[in-house]
Amino acid sequence: DAGITQSPRYKITETGRQVTLMCHQTWSHSYMFWYRQDLGHGLRLIYYSAAADITDKGEVPDGYVVSRSKTENFPLTLESATRSQTSVYFCASSGQLNTEAFFGQGTRLTVV
Amino acid sequence: QKEVEQDPGPLSVPEGAIVSLNCTYSNSAFQYFMWYRQYSRKGPELLMYTYSSGNKEDGRFTAQVDKSSKYISLFIRDSQPSDSATYLCAMSEDNAGNMLTFGGGTRLMVKP
Repeated sequence: DAGITQSPRYKITETGRQVTLMCHQTWSHSYMFWYRQDLGHGLRLIYYSAAADITDKGEVPDGYVVSRSKTENFPLTLESATRSQTSVYFCASSGQLNTEAFFGQGTRLTVV
Repeated sequence: QKEVEQDPGPLSVPEGAIVSLNCTYSNSAFQYFMWYRQYSRKGPELLMYTYSSGNKEDGRFTAQVDKSSKYISLFIRDSQPSDSATYLCAMSEDNAGNMLTFGGGTRLMVKP
């Protein structure tokens, strides 16, 4: 299916565990982003990538790791999950010269 | 103070009402202004996109940007129950597809 897909949609994990959220897009967009959405904070940028093998920190990168070995995939890893990382995570992508970002459906992560 | 401020609502209006949603911002370098609509448990989707100051109309939706006041608005005419969603403003300094700064979102409820 064309578009941007995230998996899993829902995840419960324990404090201290490593967890990876997956993101896949089929448009060959250059830019990909990870946001977290929390009440009172709106959408905050965690990491973004301008192209394969190029990543950079956003507003709230601590505790997260990303990689982008292929243009279409942009996984987000929580190395040692903490309760403060309980959130809804959105992946997005956009073209080279287009500010419109297309969002995935989100992953609702709960850290217990 | 947040870079982009948005009243969280909720804003409740009767069907057919004119709705006004607003954001203020502090970064005078913002040039590109967007409104995203987010339905419950879904990812945001782009609704309106405006460059610099002025108005843009698309059907029942009108976006206004006043850069001198650092204030943007989204007007919805003849509001429908299907407009019930959270509306997020977003801004960027360039059109390279990166570094969107979002407001916290306003939840709108349109009652039949």
